[in-house]
Amino acid sequence: QKEVEQDPGPLSVPEGAIVSLNCTYSNSAFQYFMWYRQYSRKGPELLMYTYSSGNKEDGRFTAQVDKSSKYISLFIRDSQPSDSATYLCAMSDQAAGNKLTFGGGTRVLVKP
Amino acid sequence: KAGVTQTPRYLIKTRGQQVTLSCSPISGHRSVSWYQQTPGQGLQFLFEYFSETQRNKGNFPGRFSGRQFSNSRSEMNVSTLELGDSALYLCASSLGGYGNTIYFGEGSWLTVV
Repeated sequence: QKEVEQDPGPLSVPEGAIVSLNCTYSNSAFQYFMWYRQYSRKGPELLMYTYSSGNKEDGRFTAQVDKSSKYISLFIRDSQPSDSATYLCAMSDQAAGNKLTFGGGTRVLVKP
Repeated sequence: KAGVTQTPRYLIKTRGQQVTLSCSPISGHRSVSWYQQTPGQGLQFLFEYFSETQRNKGNFPGRFSGRQFSNSRSEMNVSTLELGDSALYLCASSLGGYGNTIYFGEGSWLTVV
């Protein structure tokens, strides 16, 4: 079983809908949680960064971390066709330094 | 501010050859990490360098190696290439402290034939 599980999708939503993405993990030592967006044949782009539990909002994006359930979420409001991409969750713990453990990614398609 | 720069972007090598990939981190960043991305295994950590020293290493064979120079630029080398080494190789940089945000480059696409 992988340390970080993420539904591969694809997740298809109409333009303007809320996109809901999530990851579950097994390593309780994870403290830093990130969401990256990756377009086809491009490198991952950092969207959100959260330390420990709680919520963080940045524009149309909201990240949530529930360490007690080992569950993280990313919500994208007012989705646009340009949000069509693969979304990767990543996490790390202090002992591992800057080594990120990634989920497999969820492919999202926002239809006009 | 320039991002993480990787060269070359695309390359094709023959099985048994070796390859060297280069990465220039964001100015001021001292940590450089390398990842391999494949459709089957996703993104996997190769190694991290900080101040010219390997600070962390993933579970890859010794054919995969790297180094970092005094200006924080990094190179990774893969020797005796195998077909399974075909992948997107990503470089990431950060300031270096634990928990710092990590930024990725566009990657180097390696095809082994």
